Amino acid sequence: AQKITQTQPGMFVQEKEAVTLDCTYDTSDQSYGLFWYKQPSSGEMIFLIYQGSYDEQNATEGRYSLNFQKARKSANLVISASQLGDSAMYFCAMRPGGGSQGNLIFGKGTKLSVKP
Amino acid sequence: GAVVSQHPSRVICKSGTSVKIECRSLDFQATTMFWYRQFPKQSLMLMATSNEGSKATYEQGVEKDKFLINHASLTLSTLTVTSAHPEDSSFYICSAGFFLGYTFGSGTRLTVV
Repeated sequence: AQKITQTQPGMFVQEKEAVTLDCTYDTSDQSYGLFWYKQPSSGEMIFLIYQGSYDEQNATEGRYSLNFQKARKSANLVISASQLGDSAMYFCAMRPGGGSQGNLIFGKGTKLSVKP
Repeated sequence: GAVVSQHPSRVICKSGTSVKIECRSLDFQATTMFWYRQFPKQSLMLMATSNEGSKATYEQGVEKDKFLINHASLTLSTLTVTSAHPEDSSFYICSAGFFLGYTFGSGTRLTVV
């Protein structure tokens, strides 16, 4: 079964520190895509970072990096130098299969709170 | 680029009435649109996939007669919640795939009173 698991319902981090949000996935597909989205209280979904299953290097986008461990089926998001504006819900998602038009499967999310 | 405009952002309707939510792709053609529902403090759950010019594909447990989806053009997909009830109150959000990623509408918060 295709599934995304986020085991941390809530996380706290001190401003300017780094934080890791956990994500594990389950799929039997060889080709798939992994995404992280940020959802502030307004509800919009903000794309953060993408990792393809065949990408050998971990993805990075500014302060965001994805720690991709394929054998362990994990795709943890690392946010460096946390800012107050990082407080939001964070969703890990997977697009199963090799196509580019399939739907996303989301985890339950992690609520990140950044403390000043 | 790749913007999806979703309207309305917020709607309150009376029980038994119908509500239409629109998602427009502004600068690209969306052959496929995904409709998600999100209950408070929960994840996004796929309701249905709409394909331009054909019938939508609904996920198991989603009533197709209640949640009518129309994708009549490459730039417009609509979700109509018919005979809405308080339990339909939720956050509805659409999404379209493009290149390697996805773009999301800003969401519609539906409250049925």
